[in-house]
Amino acid sequence: KAGVTQTPRYLIKTRGQQVTLSCSPISGHRSVSWYQQTPGQGLQFLFEYFSETQRNKGNFPGRFSGRQFSNSRSEMNVSTLELGDSALYLCASSLEPSGSSYEQYFGPGTRLTVT
Amino acid sequence: KNQVEQSPQSLIILEGKNCTLQCNYTVSPFSNLRWYKQDTGRGPVSLTIMTFSENTKSNGRYTATLDADTKQSSLHITASQLSDSASYICVVSGNSNSGYALNFGKGTSLLVTP
Repeated sequence: KAGVTQTPRYLIKTRGQQVTLSCSPISGHRSVSWYQQTPGQGLQFLFEYFSETQRNKGNFPGRFSGRQFSNSRSEMNVSTLELGDSALYLCASSLEPSGSSYEQYFGPGTRLTVT
Repeated sequence: KNQVEQSPQSLIILEGKNCTLQCNYTVSPFSNLRWYKQDTGRGPVSLTIMTFSENTKSNGRYTATLDADTKQSSLHITASQLSDSASYICVVSGNSNSGYALNFGKGTSLLVTP
């Protein structure tokens, strides 16, 4: 069974631009969660989608948004990029919503650098 | 505010030695606690998931313990190997008004040296 895939793996953008990241969950998984990871803050929860509905959202500004498609693939968008948005963006998939006792599988991440 | 505190922040041990990582939390109500291993440049990989009723769980050389009364968990690594060098993250799940919420520790960075 293929794991969680994320594209692109690396991205360099300029301040003010916008970016879209993609996540394909493990086949059959309906929950996709997004996280931002920086050296100083560790893993921070962005949002979670389950069956195309956002069910939970972290404390990030409205510039961060996402969606989930009917095939459970998910995209995350960041508009008006700031230098502080440079981070590793991870997505994770699960059969059931995160927080349940179901295993959560992470993708390799997208490394975003904002210059 | 729900919090997850991990200690130590970083640790260096010799190959073959044992070590124990700590996780204290204030998350309430508690649903489950997970330990993840994250190699540099990769996504985290789950080591164990423990619910309220479980107080010990093993995965090979990794053994996690949970004391739900004191809200403490530990991850014990036996006979460390160079490949154990990684960041270990404790995640505690709790119920909120909107459903489950995951609370992340900042991780312990472990370096195993020859």
